[in-house]
Amino acid sequence: EAAVTQSPRNKVAVTGGKVTLSCNQTNNHNNMYWYRQDTGHGLRLIHYSYGAGSTEKGDIPDGYKASRPSQENFSLILELATPSQTSVYFCASGPGGAQDTQYFGPGTRLLVL
Amino acid sequence: GQQVQQSPTSLVLQEGENAELQCNFSTSLNSMQWFYQRPGGSLVSVFYNPSGTKQSGRLTSTTVIKERRSSLHISSSQITDSGTYLCAPNYNVLYFGSGTKLTVEP
Repeated sequence: EAAVTQSPRNKVAVTGGKVTLSCNQTNNHNNMYWYRQDTGHGLRLIHYSYGAGSTEKGDIPDGYKASRPSQENFSLILELATPSQTSVYFCASGPGGAQDTQYFGPGTRLLVL
Repeated sequence: GQQVQQSPTSLVLQEGENAELQCNFSTSLNSMQWFYQRPGGSLVSVFYNPSGTKQSGRLTSTTVIKERRSSLHISSSQITDSGTYLCAPNYNVLYFGSGTKLTVEP
């Protein structure tokens, strides 16, 4: 079974502060993804990566940066957190391609005050 | 982004009843996935279905690409089926619908 872990699981941040969300996968998948989930919006793609050193913008990248330093790790960075970024963030990994299936982490609840 | 519409938004059933969940998408796709999410929980893939009909236990998924639709049928619903079901067409990346919240009551 695919294993994707996220840290922290819960985070309270202040407006204007820097927040880093971390994701680790042990499946040697090429692709990794960051989503946020808000009521009424389903999951929306923020950034994704095809492999170490690669990051791509998703549908809602504004206010977020991503970093893929290795095959296993993918981080989401909020340089200047805002209350509108309060959400649940999910990381996922997948082998990639047209038949890609994705395995999700447990999620991180972020509250920006 | 792509348009993905799911219906109904919510559904309440008595245990043993059948459920039909719909997903409509705007353009042709590579494949379709259905995910299950327990309240407050993560997502688990329940079906990968590029096209046609697939069955797994009490779940049946049908995807008709030319009609831009996919459905998930749950037969003989159980209380443990309660949660949110999300469809996600694959356009090289996944686009998620807002989900159908299913509640199965005893």
